Amino acid sequence: KAGVTQTPRYLIKTRGQQVTLSCSPISGHRSVSWYQQTPGQGLQFLFEYFSETQRNKGNFPGRFSGRQFSNSRSEMNVSTLELGDSALYLCASSLGTAADTIYFGEGSWLTVV
Amino acid sequence: DQQVKQNSPSLSVQEGRISILNCDYTNSMFDYFLWYKKYPAEGPTFLISISSIKDKNEDGRFTVFLNKSAKHLSLHIVPSQPGDSAVYFCAASEDNYGQNFVFGPGTRLSVLP
Repeated sequence: KAGVTQTPRYLIKTRGQQVTLSCSPISGHRSVSWYQQTPGQGLQFLFEYFSETQRNKGNFPGRFSGRQFSNSRSEMNVSTLELGDSALYLCASSLGTAADTIYFGEGSWLTVV
Repeated sequence: DQQVKQNSPSLSVQEGRISILNCDYTNSMFDYFLWYKKYPAEGPTFLISISSIKDKNEDGRFTVFLNKSAKHLSLHIVPSQPGDSAVYFCAASEDNYGQNFVFGPGTRLSVLP
């Protein structure tokens, strides 16, 4: 079956702009989580959505937001972009049960200039 | 303060030998652990998991050992192959219904032919 799909794969934005990234989970998966990967900070948890509700949230400012649709697809938005937001944004999906494995997409590379 | 640590940023091993990647954690509430492999420009690929009710889990060439009292886990790859060269991340979570994984900084494994 198809894996986690993220779009776009690469994008360049200007400081101050906003960006929306999209994620389609594996079919049947109801949980979608987002992670930011930077060279200095590694993989950091942003938030998780389950059944259209944010279930967990990491320690990121309010400029980072997300949502999930009824078909489990998810979007994350970053407003007022800063240079430090340049990173690989990874989406992961899972069934959403306890002791569950999360499966990652290829990621969206965001460069802020 | 890093809750999940991988103290070896890099490791080099000869093809055919054993690779041992280590991971330590500080949060005693963590009881579900995952290992991922990541190639450049790709999303992390799930390798193997272990929950706290076990101290060992095997899947082919990959074995994960968990020592809860020491808050330590390790991934053994036997025999190591050049295609195993990648960055390996361990991740930990509390065994609940939230997909909030804390990742280590990763260890870059190089398997030399």
